[in-house]
Amino acid sequence: DIQMTQSPSTLSAFVGDRVTITCRASQSVSTWLAWYQQKPGKAPKVLIYKASSLESGVPSRFSGSGSGTEFTLTISSLQPDDFATYYCQQYNTYSPYSFGQGTKLEIK
Amino acid sequence: EVLLVESGGALVQPGGSLRLSCAASGFIFSDHHMDWVRQAPGKGLEWVGRSKNKFESHTTEYAASVKGRFTISRDDSENSLYLQMHSLRTEDTAVYFCMMFFYGEPFWGLGALVTVSS
Repeated sequence: DIQMTQSPSTLSAFVGDRVTITCRASQSVSTWLAWYQQKPGKAPKVLIYKASSLESGVPSRFSGSGSGTEFTLTISSLQPDDFATYYCQQYNTYSPYSFGQGTKLEIK
Repeated sequence: EVLLVESGGALVQPGGSLRLSCAASGFIFSDHHMDWVRQAPGKGLEWVGRSKNKFESHTTEYAASVKGRFTISRDDSENSLYLQMHSLRTEDTAVYFCMMFFYGEPFWGLGALVTVSS
């Protein structure tokens, strides 16, 4: 099975900061990688799929990059609504889907 | 528009059984793999299992943590996915989501809460 390692686990930042979250896969997943934002009591919200495709309706300050085993989610200028927990997910269909451990983004 | 709606969540005693359903619409259900994912309180997301599409004979796969206790099935005529859970443990307490990928784009339901407690 493919293991996903996400870092950091916690990130403190100011409104307006540029932040980056990293996800590493234990083997290549090509670009079958999604990023989610989750707030307490809610289902995960899709931000990015196929590593770099922005989900419809998601602000352009969110961007994704990478392929193979290294991926990043970047928020170019943090807004108050962005403070949440973020997860990556690989979806190579030849393997069980797996998730990163999550990154809690906190207000500094 | 792809829509997934889970139902059947409940409070159940340890050792009990429960069946969750996921009603799907907006796509050709039989053509797509369907997955269950769960999230225990305060924890991360955990893949539970998969029902593959008709082209792969609806074969199923399971996480080690539920294998032998949970069974995934589907009714393509009803556009529905099921998760039958037996021998439930307190550690199975979680919100259970059904999800799928529509040509690479993920879609999730809102989830169903299963609480295993005496």
